[in-house]
Amino acid sequence: EPEVTQTPSHQVTQMGQEVILRCVPISNHLYFYWYRQILGQKVEFLVSFYNNEISEKSEIFDDQFSVERPDGSNFTLKIRSTKLEDSAMYFCASTPSGWGNEQFFGPGTRLTVL
Amino acid sequence: DAKTTQPPSMDCAEGRAANLPCNHSTISGNEYVYWYRQIHSQGPQYIIHGLKNNETNEMASLIITEDRKSSTLILPHATLRDTAVYYCIVSPPSMDSSYKLIFGSGTRLLVRP
Repeated sequence: EPEVTQTPSHQVTQMGQEVILRCVPISNHLYFYWYRQILGQKVEFLVSFYNNEISEKSEIFDDQFSVERPDGSNFTLKIRSTKLEDSAMYFCASTPSGWGNEQFFGPGTRLTVL
Repeated sequence: DAKTTQPPSMDCAEGRAANLPCNHSTISGNEYVYWYRQIHSQGPQYIIHGLKNNETNEMASLIITEDRKSSTLILPHATLRDTAVYYCIVSPPSMDSSYKLIFGSGTRLLVRP
């Protein structure tokens, strides 16, 4: 059964460093998402991506964040200058189309900012 | 904010049915009700979704009231592996929407041996 994959599973970085979180969505899916979950808190929407552009972003997704689908298979989340408060689980998700379809989530990347 | 209300926690005995309620009194006519669960800090796992009719799959059944203001997720024979946080989510339908999911706090289900 196809699944969403994410790498790395755990990333440790120093405050101020850039990180890139990688996701491989399911191949025929058209909508892509990043969510994050700070330890002990709710899963929060960050950004959605459709037709090679951002379709919606949350207030969390400020200028330090960017997304890219560089080669038609990978979907990346870049944090330009990490802060301590960026420490969280980051989940990628994809869906074949919007309305009426479920989203498939990856296993997540645990980002620890020291 | 989430448009749904769920009890913070429930428990049931292994082998028995788990019935998880959800209120979504402000749901609009073409919004789906989705159920996901999250085991520890794993990625949310899709369970089932429905619009108006009751739905059943290999994991669960979804009962939606006629007025669509509430629903119940039924795990017919709960196992210890069903211990998780269960999220009831109403997904916006608009063509302008990104169909993002808004997670609430969910219901923490504990299945007892």
